Amino acid sequence: AQKVTQAQTEISVVEKEDVTLDCVYETRDTTYYLFWYKQPPSGELVFLIRRNSFDEQNEISGRYSWNFQKSTSSFNFTITASQVVDSAVYFCALIRNTDKLIFGTGTRLQVFP
Amino acid sequence: EPEVTQTPSHQVTQMGQEVILRCVPISNHLYFYWYRQILGQKVEFLVSFYNNEISEKSEIFDDQFSVERPDGSNFTLKIRSTKLEDSAMYFCASSGTSGRAGTDTQYFGPGTRLTVL
Repeated sequence: AQKVTQAQTEISVVEKEDVTLDCVYETRDTTYYLFWYKQPPSGELVFLIRRNSFDEQNEISGRYSWNFQKSTSSFNFTITASQVVDSAVYFCALIRNTDKLIFGTGTRLQVFP
Repeated sequence: EPEVTQTPSHQVTQMGQEVILRCVPISNHLYFYWYRQILGQKVEFLVSFYNNEISEKSEIFDDQFSVERPDGSNFTLKIRSTKLEDSAMYFCASSGTSGRAGTDTQYFGPGTRLTVL
C-alpha cells in the first residue's frame, strides 16, 4: 500500500527560526515521485518541489531546502529564517506509476512575528 | 505564468440538487484531475481524465459524479444529486505535455468551495 505520513499536525515558531517539516512515505515501487505543496490561508495549493526516486540529491531554493533519504523513506522540508508569509499548511505527496497523488494529512505551520 | 482557473469560487446548493464545477486547465496540458478536500482534512484524489476519457477514479467517484471536457478549454465535474457529505473544497489540476501523467507535476487551481445545505 502507498501512504504518506506527516506526523506533525501543527508547528508554531517565531519569525527567523528554522523549521523542519517531516514526511515519511511508504511504497513498494522503485519508481515514484515525491512532492511538497503549500496551502496558504487563501486555500489554493501551490507546488513547491518534485523529486524522483532516483535522485537523492538534496535541493535548496532560497530559504527552502529538501532532504530526501531513501534509506529512511523520508522527504523532509526545511524553511530557514522563517517569515510570517510562510504560515500555511504544507502537504507532502507521493505518486507512483499511476495518475493519483497521495497526500499526507498536512502540517500547519504558524510563524509569529 | 499559465495557471489553472476554477469557477465559481464558492457554490451553495440544496441537498439533492445538481451542481457543475468548472475548470480551465493549463492550455497545453493533456491530463486533468479532480481532487477534493473536506474541511481540515487531507486532499483526496477523485478522478483523472486523458484523451477524452476517465483514466483512473477512486472509490469516492461513484455514479453521482461525472466529468466532461465539453470543448477545447473547459473541464467540468458534475455531481448529480448532492449530499451533505459532498461539502468540501474541490480542486482541479492539470499536468503533462507528454509522457505518462505520473511523471509530470500536477498544477492545481484555486478550488471551488461547495456547501451543501
